[in-house]
Amino acid sequence: QSALTQPASVSGSPGQSITISCTGTSSDVGAYDYVSWYQQHPGKAPKVMIYDVSDRPSGVSNRFSGSKSGNTASLTISGLQAEDEADYYCGSYRGGNTGVVFGGGTKLTVL
Amino acid sequence: EVQLLESGGGLIQPGGSLRLSCEASGFAFSSYAMNWVRQAPGKGLEWVSGLSATGFGTFYADSVKGRFTISRDNSKNTLYLQMKTLSAEDTALYYCAKATSGYDSRAFDIWGQGTMVSVSS
Repeated sequence: QSALTQPASVSGSPGQSITISCTGTSSDVGAYDYVSWYQQHPGKAPKVMIYDVSDRPSGVSNRFSGSKSGNTASLTISGLQAEDEADYYCGSYRGGNTGVVFGGGTKLTVL
Repeated sequence: EVQLLESGGGLIQPGGSLRLSCEASGFAFSSYAMNWVRQAPGKGLEWVSGLSATGFGTFYADSVKGRFTISRDNSKNTLYLQMKTLSAEDTALYYCAKATSGYDSRAFDIWGQGTMVSVSS
């Protein structure tokens, strides 16, 4: 079960927008509209930011948005704030008995 | 308050067994699939196992298949993970996570704080 591919790091200045990509295959990201994104601050549990490709849970800022094209999903954070600095993981449903596969994680640095 | 509270982690010798528990509160536990996700020190997230709301659908990562068993007691709002034949590669923080659906694990909207499992002689 290979992990989804994410960039190791991205950075941006406060107020800017950044996009984190998540590349999978036709068996996971490309097959289902069940991509989710998680934010994890150091020493804390992950928090879902986006689920089902582009749905935002109640309480999550609308600065966070998700999309998908083919086998690649993306998380965009607009109006970067210092508190957005964290690790971000994508996850994709794989169907059947294979459960979920995560990306390797992307460290977001707010300059 | 919606909460997941894991317990049962600890230091265990290679080849040993351990059972993790996750007590849920604040939501209809019996209506949702539940999962275990682990994170080795300094590493990323790895989905380990999932279980449907009814307990009849069980799913495992290849890395733990045949060694780990997931189960739940809906009368106690508790999820379990029985781990056997542990090795150093199983050393990780184990999170309990609630799925957004009742059967499969499309996304996880509630996470516990985790319980640490360390496998070492």
